Amino acid sequence: DSGVTQTPKHLITATGQRVTLRCSPRSGDLSVYWYQQSLDQGLQFLIQYYNGEERAKGNILERFSAQQFPDLHSELNLSSLELGDSALYFCASSVAPSGVREKLFFGSGTQLSVL
Amino acid sequence: ELKVEQNPLFLSMQEGKNYTIYCNYSTTSDRLYWYRQDPGKSLESLFVLLSNGAVKQEGRLMASLDTKARLSTLHITAAVHDLSATYFCAVDEESQFYFGTGTSLTVIP
Repeated sequence: DSGVTQTPKHLITATGQRVTLRCSPRSGDLSVYWYQQSLDQGLQFLIQYYNGEERAKGNILERFSAQQFPDLHSELNLSSLELGDSALYFCASSVAPSGVREKLFFGSGTQLSVL
Repeated sequence: ELKVEQNPLFLSMQEGKNYTIYCNYSTTSDRLYWYRQDPGKSLESLFVLLSNGAVKQEGRLMASLDTKARLSTLHITAAVHDLSATYFCAVDEESQFYFGTGTSLTVIP
């Protein structure tokens, strides 16, 4: 168990809908990262937050947004969902802002299926 | 654009054999990470390599880093079935972790 908690584990929804994925980092970790994993795109970095502030942005679509709350949990909001958004979404955490010289701890992921 | 490339993408090997997975990257970062992912599961950290020439070993796996060549290797010694998984290398630069394509390893009895 990595200590990173993601909910829900599975999510099935329809095109055009909006969903929220939730992540609680390991105790003491201030950084949260979101990744999307799909067969054709591999593991893609979406966005990173450190202590409530956006730190880095990767290949995140405008339809997607995220935030980190004062209690350090994070939410990833996906809207106007398309079939191609079906993927496994991982959250990871680390202590430092950029994970420098530290490894990431990954949650178990949320499997999103858009029908 | 930063690239992290692994080869092979798929590897099927017999138990007891040795093999090496290669990870080439385009950044000048001196930090490289190896992760393991079992089917349907999350990623688990294996090694953190923090400087040129770094070598780390855990059981039948050994990872090394050559920052001059921008190359890391993951060597598997005397493979066993439990090592079947997908292995990812990753580099971090400017607050982002960039992952390789992954190498899917299957160890056959």
